[in-house]
Amino acid sequence: DQQVKQNSPSLSVQEGRISILNCDYTNSMFDYFLWYKKYPAEGPTFLISISSIKDKNEDGRFTVFLNKSAKHLSLHIVPSQPGDSAVYFCAASALGNQFYFGTGTSLTVIP
Amino acid sequence: DVKVTQSSRYLVKRTGEKVFLECVQDMDHENMFWYRQDPGLGLRLIYFSYDVKMKEKGDIPEGYSVSREKKERFSLILESASTNQTSMYLCASSLAGTGGNTGELFFGEGSRLTVL
Repeated sequence: DQQVKQNSPSLSVQEGRISILNCDYTNSMFDYFLWYKKYPAEGPTFLISISSIKDKNEDGRFTVFLNKSAKHLSLHIVPSQPGDSAVYFCAASALGNQFYFGTGTSLTVIP
Repeated sequence: DVKVTQSSRYLVKRTGEKVFLECVQDMDHENMFWYRQDPGLGLRLIYFSYDVKMKEKGDIPEGYSVSREKKERFSLILESASTNQTSMYLCASSLAGTGGNTGELFFGEGSRLTVL
């Protein structure tokens, strides 16, 4: 049973606009969340993380929001750039144990 | 620069063959993981290890085994490869969990296995 879900398999956004990628989880014990970016034929690379004690974390163009009551997190990319085109995975863990990944969202930023 | 290295980027094997996928990390991480990535299924955990000689089953361990004889090396073994094991295999490592903010997983570049 999928504990971390990304319900949108794909997303297209115009360059310069905001990209919003969503992720839902079912396990209330999850206390640490990460976003990874993956290009074809490469391993995922870490993008940004958030601990459950926060509701927002920002790093340059990337912001992650966490809504614990809704068990929902989102990644905002502003402004979107063509180089952001990749598959984005969210992941969650509980108490430092294994990470559970979502199915990924393929983002295409149109120049 | 931190690195997770997977020995083979691309492999083609025949059904029934034994397959070894090797992974080495140079960050002195305690934790190592093997995932497979399939379209529409995301990354699924096969096996993981929190210490040398130690292994734990992940979500999809059937048809796989692992070996961790040294801290820096974690091997994935397919005893008898089948076509449904055609996939992208990803090795990752991380520092030991601290019960809170545990930092990130560092991934290798992946091994694309095709079983004919």
